[in-house]
Amino acid sequence: AQKITQTQPGMFVQEKEAVTLDCTYDTSDPSYGLFWYKQPSSGEMIFLIYQGSYDQQNATEGRYSLNFQKARKSANLVISASQLGDSAMYFCAMRGFNTNAGKSTFGDGTTLTVKP
Amino acid sequence: DGGITQSPKYLFRKEGQNVTLSCEQNLNHDAMYWYRQDPGQGLRLIYYSQIVNDFQKGDIAEGYSVSREKKESFPLTVTSAQKNPTAFYLCASRGEAANTGELFFGEGSRLTVL
Repeated sequence: AQKITQTQPGMFVQEKEAVTLDCTYDTSDPSYGLFWYKQPSSGEMIFLIYQGSYDQQNATEGRYSLNFQKARKSANLVISASQLGDSAMYFCAMRGFNTNAGKSTFGDGTTLTVKP
Repeated sequence: DGGITQSPKYLFRKEGQNVTLSCEQNLNHDAMYWYRQDPGQGLRLIYYSQIVNDFQKGDIAEGYSVSREKKESFPLTVTSAQKNPTAFYLCASRGEAANTGELFFGEGSRLTVL
């Protein structure tokens, strides 16, 4: 089994500031991948960043970075220098590579609002 | 351009009717997925398929059925047994060759039961 928990239904951040969106996970697989997606109000899903469970370094993609703490089973997304266009719903997801191979599970999401 | 096409974008149905949502991809991806999203909620996995002629139930498969007869196509049927079918349905695919294994999504189909 695998599960993603996002405990922040909504977050506010001032434009140009950084924000951290929380994600914790649980899985029975020894190896797995962790993902973050963005869903604007239009409904499309946009892939942001990936972290493999055996990656030694935290993933970064432009203004996005993933704070991966394996022992705590957390994979928080950090958005630096927030922009108005960052206002959207953000989903943490995972896919196991063993027992749960192929199964991609999502959390309930966090709605981020960037204030001007 | 390569991508995932879902149709129809909007669909209305009467209670008791089955309806089939189409999902076609030209990305040559092996794996395909169906998710349901209710307003303000996360994505819940209905069914997924990792290879042609094979598929697995997700977390909320009851009242739904799928087929995977071709690599490009993964249609979802919402049956009359699904008690609350009004929702936004998202189809996705994943290529085995991709290192990160991220999902590529269609634009979704919004089903409303009258």
